Amino acid sequence: AQKITQTQPGMFVQEKEAVTLDCTYDTSDQSYGLFWYKQPSSGEMIFLIYQGSYDEQNATEGRYSLNFQKARKSANLVISASQLGDSAMYFCAMREGGAGANSKLTFGKGITLSVRP
Amino acid sequence: EPEVTQTPSHQVTQMGQEVILRCVPISNHLYFYWYRQILGQKVEFLVSFYNNEISEKSEIFDDQFSVERPDGSNFTLKIRSTKLEDSAMYFCASSGQGWGNQPQHFGDGTRLSIL
Repeated sequence: AQKITQTQPGMFVQEKEAVTLDCTYDTSDQSYGLFWYKQPSSGEMIFLIYQGSYDEQNATEGRYSLNFQKARKSANLVISASQLGDSAMYFCAMREGGAGANSKLTFGKGITLSVRP
Repeated sequence: EPEVTQTPSHQVTQMGQEVILRCVPISNHLYFYWYRQILGQKVEFLVSFYNNEISEKSEIFDDQFSVERPDGSNFTLKIRSTKLEDSAMYFCASSGQGWGNQPQHFGDGTRLSIL
């Protein structure tokens, strides 16, 4: 089974509107973390936001927020007030294991977001 | 803001040649990683490194691959005898902690092209 699933085809959003990018995950660990990264066409990987499995509040970071539904094993990224510079590939990733682990990130296939002016 | 630096940005190599990709992690970070991304595909884990030894490696990281931290600042990935299928973007990442909420910070990548 895929550990991280991102199934949306390319997403389009009008500038200044909000958009939700879906991510579901699969793990048997109790302690894990979920990350979102942005990859613009230039290729670099930019960290956006983190949600821990024990965090009771949904993470927020500026225009980014994470809709974390633990029972459904979903961690959707919400981008509010989209900007043209948000056009990029977005990857959801998971790190399993608690304190003391040196855990790799497992990535989903990514979602392409295009913001229309 | 401190960042992970990778050199070169693009490397073109003949098949069968050795290649070394270089990374300078963020200076106070202790956990280091290499990932690769074949064009248009997802990012795949290669190896993690802590306390001067490999913590974990993937199936991709076979005997042709090795990592080294030769001094206090550099972290290198060596591919001994490159194959066509090694063509990919290689990302180095570092983290202040191997768990919890500290993200892995990625370099801008080295695009490796094998001819």
